[in-house]
Amino acid sequence: NAGVTQTPKFRILKIGQSMTLQCAQDMNHNYMYWYRQDPGMGLKLIYYSVGAGITDKGEVPNGYNVSRSTTEDFPLRLELAAPSQTSVYFCASSYSVGDTQYFGPGTRLTVL
Amino acid sequence: KNQVEQSPQSLIILEGKNCTLQCNYTVSPFSNLRWYKQDTGRGPVSLTIMTFSENTKSNGRYTATLDADTKQSSLHITASQLSDSASYICVVSARSGTYKYIFGTGTRLKVLA
Repeated sequence: NAGVTQTPKFRILKIGQSMTLQCAQDMNHNYMYWYRQDPGMGLKLIYYSVGAGITDKGEVPNGYNVSRSTTEDFPLRLELAAPSQTSVYFCASSYSVGDTQYFGPGTRLTVL
Repeated sequence: KNQVEQSPQSLIILEGKNCTLQCNYTVSPFSNLRWYKQDTGRGPVSLTIMTFSENTKSNGRYTATLDADTKQSSLHITASQLSDSASYICVVSARSGTYKYIFGTGTRLKVLA
């Protein structure tokens, strides 16, 4: 049982480039989440999904897109990367709404 | 507005000492409260979960308390170890809505030898 996995671990992007952060879970959880964490700050919700085919915006969705075609995968897409998107990105999942969230190890993204 | 506030922002203690972290919330309707530990460079990991009717819950050297009347929780760490150095995040779940988690900004704990 790998839990929540994220790839890549680190990435450096140039301004204007695009990339997809991958997230997968093998716990058959319905709910999945994307957060960003800036240095010394709390976690901010970007997008979340309550099941395959259903996604919704969080607190800070601008500049990001998500899709949820399967229960296991929840990729986060950055279009036209900006320096303000330099952050650590965490994916999480939970079995049901309000349940304990299980977090991945994070992706550290730098936009130069 | 649903909010979770944690104090102190950061804390330094000597190995072997005890410490207490605070969490105040204004989340309604309240469902449960969790404390997470986040090691540097890692994702948060759940330590304890408390529902409305629970006052105290322990996980090894970690003891969480909840006062639902005053909307306060604390996390007490006993006989601290170097491995306790981490950020501790209080997360309160609401009982309504499709997204229910309200995160505190965390307390950064440093344990010195």
